[in-house]
Amino acid sequence: EVQLLESGGGLVQPGGSLRLSCAASGFTFTNYAMTWVRQAPGKGLGWVSTIGRTGIDTFYADSVKGRFTISRDNSKNTVYLQMNSLRDEDTAIYYCAKALGTVGPTTSRWFDPWGQGTLVIVSS
Amino acid sequence: EFVLTQSPVTLSLSPGERATLSCRASQSINNYVAWYQQKPGQAPRLLIYDASNRATGIPARFSGSGSGTDFTLTISSVEPEDFAVYYCQQRSDWPLTFGGGTKVEIK
Repeated sequence: EVQLLESGGGLVQPGGSLRLSCAASGFTFTNYAMTWVRQAPGKGLGWVSTIGRTGIDTFYADSVKGRFTISRDNSKNTVYLQMNSLRDEDTAIYYCAKALGTVGPTTSRWFDPWGQGTLVIVSS
Repeated sequence: EFVLTQSPVTLSLSPGERATLSCRASQSINNYVAWYQQKPGQAPRLLIYDASNRATGIPARFSGSGSGTDFTLTISSVEPEDFAVYYCQQRSDWPLTFGGGTKVEIK
């Protein structure tokens, strides 16, 4: 069974930093791109960042580019999201999601399954 | 950036009725649309990808159609467990984007 367990969320002041982790199990981690998606309280879904299988290819939403960094450690089956210069509007549940399949953009940009999420609150 | 507009915002139905949810793209995105279901307090779940392919374990009452700019998610006969929020997503280009969601509520 595929499992994704996010951690690292919490309360942080504006301008601060957090590092989120997503520990994966139940599948061959190195075969799949991984993605972070966030959801502000009571709002819809927003794509944040995607990392390819090797970690070389990374993609970011404009709203986080230059502030957030996605990375992965394939030896630990874990993907990370380093969040710096946090703003009030970054407050959200952050979900980690596995790519549906391994065949390039055909299946790597669909998300299945998702973890249960970790809550990040940016507030003074 | 491809903007996805979902309608209606809220759909009020009784169990057993047919649900038709719409997702319209600001430009053609071929058939590169997925649909997700999210229940309160839960993570989203993939239902449909590439406009019409059901994900593993998804009941046959869920179907997707469309291409270009107009897409539809249909629930042929709504079950009590289907009351939730539904989101469309496009993968045609970066940045990946989601629609604003349609809430299917009990009438």
